[in-house]
Amino acid sequence: SAVISQKPSRDICQRGTSLTIQCQVDSQVTMMFWYRQQPGQSLTLIATANQGSEATYESGFVIDKFPISRPNLTFSTLTVSNLSPEDSSIYLCSADTLTGYEQYFGPGTRLTVT
Amino acid sequence: EDKVVQSPLSLVVHEGDTVTLNCSYEVTNFRSLLWYKQEKKAPTFLFMLTSSGIEKKSGRLSSILDKKELFSILNITATQTGDSAVYLCAVTLQTQGGSEKLVFGKGTKLTVNP
Repeated sequence: SAVISQKPSRDICQRGTSLTIQCQVDSQVTMMFWYRQQPGQSLTLIATANQGSEATYESGFVIDKFPISRPNLTFSTLTVSNLSPEDSSIYLCSADTLTGYEQYFGPGTRLTVT
Repeated sequence: EDKVVQSPLSLVVHEGDTVTLNCSYEVTNFRSLLWYKQEKKAPTFLFMLTSSGIEKKSGRLSSILDKKELFSILNITATQTGDSAVYLCAVTLQTQGGSEKLVFGKGTKLTVNP
């Protein structure tokens, strides 16, 4: 398994600002992913963070709003830009193990936009 | 469109009861089916199923996959209040680009009353 940490664990941000979330894995992993979980909803994949290349975004998510970096095999960041109240959500990072298909999740970042 | 459907969406039982949670799916390029337990923020991994008819078991929890009928069940016997959580079903599928992604169901919220 992989141990994943995220920073910050929560934040309250003003409309129009940006928040960058960091995700650190304790071992090298092949794939890293970013999800959003809106209140009362399930997880929705935002993008796959590719090491050394641009992230792959799911339908409905764009790079200008959710720029992602992955400079190495254990670290990734997600920025949520130009915040609006609709961005209030939990953002989760996950990683795919090298040996299987299971994904392990970080503790999440709870974002509230005022 | 790939979809994962869980039922029931909500379930309230008494301690000691046995529960069965259902997950059906319609996806292209199926790789595996995963069950997660989500209590606060981060989903914790329970099972990964890739083959039909082979039961996976961990303590009071067990799960099985039927790839012909495209569904899985998660059983919890002798439920305890600590089993109260949202149980998420997710399917790993291979994308056209050759990578993998998870598609989640909406989850089943289980409440176990003493």
